[in-house]
Amino acid sequence: NAGVTQTPKFRVLKTGQSMTLLCAQDMNHEYMYWYRQDPGMGLRLIHYSVGEGTTAKGEVPDGYNVSRLKKQNFLLGLESAAPSQTSVYFCASSPGTSVETQYFGPGTRLLVL
Amino acid sequence: SQQGEEDPQALSIQEGENATMNCSYKTSINNLQWYRQNSGRGLVHLILIRSNEREKHSGRLRVTLDTSKKSSSLLITASRAADTASYFCATVIYGNNRLAFGKGNQVVVIP
Repeated sequence: NAGVTQTPKFRVLKTGQSMTLLCAQDMNHEYMYWYRQDPGMGLRLIHYSVGEGTTAKGEVPDGYNVSRLKKQNFLLGLESAAPSQTSVYFCASSPGTSVETQYFGPGTRLLVL
Repeated sequence: SQQGEEDPQALSIQEGENATMNCSYKTSINNLQWYRQNSGRGLVHLILIRSNEREKHSGRLRVTLDTSKKSSSLLITASRAADTASYFCATVIYGNNRLAFGKGNQVVVIP
């Protein structure tokens, strides 16, 4: 049981490039989330999903897109990376509603030059 | 906007001492959760306290919730070097299905 895994662990992009971050969970959780963490800012919710085929905007969705084609996977896309998107990205999942415990992945460090 | 705000932001203590950190919030909540983050790692859930609970224990952790003051505290007793981490409170607002995280408390336990 791997829990929540994220791919890749670290990536460097040039401004304007695109990339996809992959989150996978093997706990059969319904809800999945993408956060970004910046120094002194805590975690901010980018997008989330309440089930396969559904997505919703969080607090800071601009510049990102997501897809939840399979229950176990939640993809975060950056179509045209900007230096302001340099951050650490965390994926999380929870069994049902977010009122319960969230389980976090190890994070992806992204540097946009 | 950030719902939870921890206080103090950074704490340095000797091993064996207790560490206390506080969190305040602004609106009515369904529950409040505390998470720990070790350097370079993801967050790990520590404890959840519901709005109708006032105190909860888990091992060396004690959490209190005062809904009249809209505040919570996390106490770590008999701290260990392994407790060195950042601690975040997170709230779930009624009618909302998201967690709102505070900015975190950094705790350093000196061996």
